[in-house]
Amino acid sequence: DGGITQSPKYLFRKEGQNVTLSCEQNLNHDAMYWYRQDPGQGLRLIYYSQIVNDFQKGDIAEGYSVSREKKESFPLTVTSAQKNPTAFYLCASSIGKGPSTDTQYFGPGTRLTVL
Amino acid sequence: ELKVEQNPLFLSMQEGKNYTIYCNYSTTSDRLYWYRQDPGKSLESLFVLLSNGAVKQEGRLMASLDTKARLSTLHITAAVHDLSATYFCAVVLGTSGSRLTFGEGTQLTVNP
Repeated sequence: DGGITQSPKYLFRKEGQNVTLSCEQNLNHDAMYWYRQDPGQGLRLIYYSQIVNDFQKGDIAEGYSVSREKKESFPLTVTSAQKNPTAFYLCASSIGKGPSTDTQYFGPGTRLTVL
Repeated sequence: ELKVEQNPLFLSMQEGKNYTIYCNYSTTSDRLYWYRQDPGKSLESLFVLLSNGAVKQEGRLMASLDTKARLSTLHITAAVHDLSATYFCAVVLGTSGSRLTFGEGTQLTVNP
């Protein structure tokens, strides 16, 4: 089955720790994205990557880091510098270049809680 | 800076009734998306609207786009309980690229 997987589903972190959220896709999509969703709010873009070995900051990149070493994978690290990391994190992918529709498809999400 | 505003933010309606959700955006864009999110779940793509006057329909939901007014509508016809969810519109910045800016979402509750 083609799709986007995120792990873990739930993650608990102590203050001061870095944690890495996994995102994998087997859709052969070039572009991948990370969003953060806070309760009752819309999604905000953290980082995005349109091609392997390249990525750009989104609207709220401070305290986060990413890598894109493989087309299929786009892990997000939430560092201790992120002041309020408790949120629902969603990864998405899209074909990227080419089709004008370029719909983003979302993974199931990771719910991060800082203890 | 692109701003996307939805209204209403909360909508409670009875089964069988019709209603419209509005999505306004502040700068030029050539693509607008509607997504659905069930509680605690991820986002499901509903529609992509590419041009002025575009209209898409799926079941009881119909979406339209007016790029001159920078307005999209999501119309619900004869609502049923299964439509209860949060609906987001999202707009691409400018006329190229793939960055999406999301509205705050409209939480729809359909009561029997």
